Amino acid sequence: AQSVAQPEDQVNVAEGNPLTVKCTYSVSGNPYLFWYVQYPNRGLQFLLKYITGDNLVKGSYGFEAEFNKSQPSFHLKKPSALVSDSALYFCASRGGGGAGSYQLTFGKGTKLSVIP
Amino acid sequence: DTAVSQTPKYLVTQMGNDKSIKCEQNLGHDTMYWYKQDSKKFLKIMFSYNNKELIINETVPNRFSPKSPDKAHLNLHINSLELGDSAVYFCASSQADRTTDGYTFGSGTRLTVV
Repeated sequence: AQSVAQPEDQVNVAEGNPLTVKCTYSVSGNPYLFWYVQYPNRGLQFLLKYITGDNLVKGSYGFEAEFNKSQPSFHLKKPSALVSDSALYFCASRGGGGAGSYQLTFGKGTKLSVIP
Repeated sequence: DTAVSQTPKYLVTQMGNDKSIKCEQNLGHDTMYWYKQDSKKFLKIMFSYNNKELIINETVPNRFSPKSPDKAHLNLHINSLELGDSAVYFCASSQADRTTDGYTFGSGTRLTVV
């Protein structure tokens, strides 16, 4: 069984400051990890993913995420937050093998508010 | 061209009515999904179809019936609508054997039952 946890319901950050949105996971085998963003009244949009290789992955809109197998975590980061980054962020995992591994499991979402 | 399109975008209806939401994808994916996002923004999977066959059917009232006429379409029919069915419903698609890819989502259908 796989699970994804986003420990924070909401993250507030001042514009221009670095931001982090946390995600921890529990996946058997090699995990495939994803971040999605949902802007108000919109569907989910893909931001970035970790499959293998370099632990730091870069994605859309200046976001990056660091895969840490020992924690295990896949926190989303951005060096300088913009007001337009305010949205709902979902972490998701897809199992590395076995029955049901194709299924994407989502965390409960973290609302990011960037304050001008 | 929209990759995953849902219609309608908004749906307001009275309790007890029957309604359908349509979903189409032009990505050539073999698997389609319906998710429900409640007022707390939790995303919960409802159904998954692979090549027109039902493969996931989570604990959903049998008033909800998915129908997949072909692998590019997955429609959701809801009978006897209740107030608690009010939510945003998202359709998504993926290719089952490409587990390194994520899902592609539609823009959602906001259902309001009054």
